[in-house]
Amino acid sequence: GAVVSQHPSRVICKSGTSVKIECRSLDFQATTMFWYRQFPKQSLMLMATSNEGSKATYEQGVEKDKFLINHASLTLSTLTVTSAHPEDSSFYICSATPPRGGINEQFFGPGTRLTVL
Amino acid sequence: AQSVTQLGSHVSVSEGALVLLRCNYSSSVPPYLFWYVQYPNQGLQLLLKYTSAATLVKGINGFEAEFKKSETSFHLTKPSAHMSDAAEYFCAVSGPAGTALIFGKGTTLSVSS
Repeated sequence: GAVVSQHPSRVICKSGTSVKIECRSLDFQATTMFWYRQFPKQSLMLMATSNEGSKATYEQGVEKDKFLINHASLTLSTLTVTSAHPEDSSFYICSATPPRGGINEQFFGPGTRLTVL
Repeated sequence: AQSVTQLGSHVSVSEGALVLLRCNYSSSVPPYLFWYVQYPNQGLQLLLKYTSAATLVKGINGFEAEFKKSETSFHLTKPSAHMSDAAEYFCAVSGPAGTALIFGKGTTLSVSS
């Protein structure tokens, strides 16, 4: 099956610093990747849709300047949390969709736990 | 627009008992439906998916789900719960190609001995 990796799996940073999270599709090319945020005991909240070579589409209420998304290649999308604050602490999960017709199936990364002190 | 409703945020069963997690969907087009399981501090693992083939779908770990169009439901079942089934379960519906999955709020399954 298709495999998606995320790096790092866990990061702790100081308030005010920036953190970059990588999402890679290991054995397929992903024209579209998605970034989700999950608070404890809650469901996944879609943050943005990332398409290779174009600007990401952000969901309402998600700050574009705070959560920078770059999808520079068909196998890599990055999420940078700029000037992180404690309220940005969360579990971030990416997913990727292979470029084929039919089922709109997504493959999920293992997630990144961000803790901002 | 598509949506998913999971009835019951928390379900508790005894080991060996039937597991039933409910999911109802709303979709203006024939849906693709998914069930995922999430263990603490881990990502999502696909349990099973409905892709308009058989209405009874068998997944991993002994789980299965039945697509009922008349009831707009896709409930997840397992005949006999195991302690290792304790986790968070999410139902999701697929939108058009290139769009994100739409998730329900999740159901926490607890299994007691």
